Amino acid sequence: KAGVTQTPRYLIKTRGQQVTLSCSPISGHRSVSWYQQTPGQGLQFLFEYFSETQRNKGNFPGRFSGRQFSNSRSEMNVSTLELGDSALYLCASSLSQIDTQYFGPGTRLTVL
Amino acid sequence: QKEVEQNSGPLSVPEGAIASLNCTYSDRGSQSFFWYRQYSGKSPELIMFIYSNGDKEDGRFTAQLNKASQYVSLLIRDSQPSDSATYLCAVKGSNDYKLSFGAGTTVTVRA
Repeated sequence: KAGVTQTPRYLIKTRGQQVTLSCSPISGHRSVSWYQQTPGQGLQFLFEYFSETQRNKGNFPGRFSGRQFSNSRSEMNVSTLELGDSALYLCASSLSQIDTQYFGPGTRLTVL
Repeated sequence: QKEVEQNSGPLSVPEGAIASLNCTYSDRGSQSFFWYRQYSGKSPELIMFIYSNGDKEDGRFTAQLNKASQYVSLLIRDSQPSDSATYLCAVKGSNDYKLSFGAGTTVTVRA
């Protein structure tokens, strides 16, 4: 079974721009969670989607948003990028909210 | 108090030794606990999960859970240089099922 895929793998943007990241979960998985990982803050939870509904949200500003489609694929969007948004963005999928999460390879975002 | 705390690293062990990693959590109702390994520049990969008190063994890895003490640990036996990585403890919340991570413990196995 194919693992979690994320696109693009690398991205370079400038301050003020917006970005959309994509995540395709493992086949059959309906829950998708997004995390931001930086050297200083570690792995921080952004949000979780299940059956196209946001079930949980972390403590991030409204510039960070996401959605999930009927095929369980998910996107996250960051608007008005700031230098501090440079990070590894990780997507993880699971069968449901209570099940084990499996991570994708991540998208490395650099904001200049 | 952080939701999940791990013993500060880095942890350096000689090849063949046992590496011991510790983790405490604040949500007393949590029922699901996970250990992930993350190599530098890569994403976390699941090593083990544990739900019940006691020990769970998988190859050279043993997870230990004590819910009364709100404590989870991971033992790596016969440590190999390929075990050199950051190990992340994760706990699933009892109310919202949100997965909270510790800061990670970096392990270096000396050949």
